[in-house]
Amino acid sequence: DAKTTQPPSMDCAEGRAANLPCNHSTISGNEYVYWYRQIHSQGPQYIIHGLKNNETNEMASLIITEDRKSSTLILPHATLRDTAVYYCIVRGYLTNRDDKIIFGKGTRLHILP
Amino acid sequence: GAVVSQHPSWVICKSGTSVKIECRSLDFQATTMFWYRQFPKQSLMLMATSNEGSKATYEQGVEKDKFLINHASLTLSTLTVTSAHPEDSSFYICSAAGRTSYEQYFGPGTRLTVT
Repeated sequence: DAKTTQPPSMDCAEGRAANLPCNHSTISGNEYVYWYRQIHSQGPQYIIHGLKNNETNEMASLIITEDRKSSTLILPHATLRDTAVYYCIVRGYLTNRDDKIIFGKGTRLHILP
Repeated sequence: GAVVSQHPSWVICKSGTSVKIECRSLDFQATTMFWYRQFPKQSLMLMATSNEGSKATYEQGVEKDKFLINHASLTLSTLTVTSAHPEDSSFYICSAAGRTSYEQYFGPGTRLTVT
């Protein structure tokens, strides 16, 4: 079973920041928070991951609470091409061959023109 | 980032026939590959994990005799749907992870339609 809880859908105006929340209250100390997104009829695309510090890359920022029980993915300037299903996933660092990605239901993000 | 390809991108087959889907890592060696299935408006469901040179590990409820997985090289894994039926129609997605990579790279998916 997925270890995360996300809202089923969200809307965001084009050009604004999209903030996608995720709860992972049972995360263990050696597990990372990963975010992927899936645009319709495509394979999932890696966005970002983090352990306990906030992370930023060219696509997004990841804010993880101090207790690590929740996180927020931030798309700073959403465009129509960001419309997708966003998956928040908790997993190990692939040091174990059984570290596998289990997808929950994700958040369907609609970017409104 | 690393590239994973799948072939074919879509396939239509008749009920009772077998279909093979290929998953290739194009610019890295994939020690582990994963196969997922996704039905319309649903999330991805992990079917099996495949380590190079070893037998695949199937998730509970996935028939290993129906979904044959081969991972004979570090750049290729195949999924064969044997005796396909209309209920096997789905979007099949593979992903690959390298020996030192913390990322899992996904293929573009293969849409299978069984008539």
